[in-house]
Amino acid sequence: AQSVTQLGSHVSVSEGALVLLRCNYSSSVPPYLFWYVQYPNQGLQLLLKYTTGATLVKGINGFEAEFKKSETSFHLTKPSAHMSDAAEYFCAVSAPYGGSQGNLIFGKGTKLSVKP
Amino acid sequence: NAGVTQTPKFQVLKTGQSMTLQCAQDMNHNSMYWYRQDPGMGLRLIYYSASEGTTDKGEVPNGYNVSRLNKREFSLRLESAAPSQTSVYFCASSESYSNQPQHFGDGTRLSIL
Repeated sequence: AQSVTQLGSHVSVSEGALVLLRCNYSSSVPPYLFWYVQYPNQGLQLLLKYTTGATLVKGINGFEAEFKKSETSFHLTKPSAHMSDAAEYFCAVSAPYGGSQGNLIFGKGTKLSVKP
Repeated sequence: NAGVTQTPKFQVLKTGQSMTLQCAQDMNHNSMYWYRQDPGMGLRLIYYSASEGTTDKGEVPNGYNVSRLNKREFSLRLESAAPSQTSVYFCASSESYSNQPQHFGDGTRLSIL
């Protein structure tokens, strides 16, 4: 079975500072991993995904994430935070095969605040 | 370019009332999903439809029913609403049921008194 842990329900950074949102997963098979962003009163939008291949994945809005199998992590980073990055971010995992094939398991979310 | 459209956007019900949440997608996706989002809980899958004509239970199906009306539409029904079902409900779709990214609607905010 798969599970996702997002460390820190709230993260606050200054504008221009590094953004680091942490995600650790548990999976019995090589996982597919996703980061989604949710702005207030909106649905989730896909930021980036890892399936196979290159472990450093680039997404929209300058975000990227690195799949580290040895650490079972998929942390989301952005070199320089912008005010418009303030939102809630969700990490999700799915298994490409097995009993729950296809289902996304979401973390509980990390709310990012950006201070001017 | 509508994507995933959910109706209504807001609804207030009394305990015991029934209602149906509607969802339609215009991306010709095969798979559709219903989630609920509660504070501090992330998203939890209620039901999904891997393809037209099939539906399956997710993590929290009790108290809900679904209908995959056609390829475009996937509805969620609360037969007898309970306060514990107060939540924000999201519909999503994906090209196929094989770990593809999911596209989300803007949600239905449901309060049950």
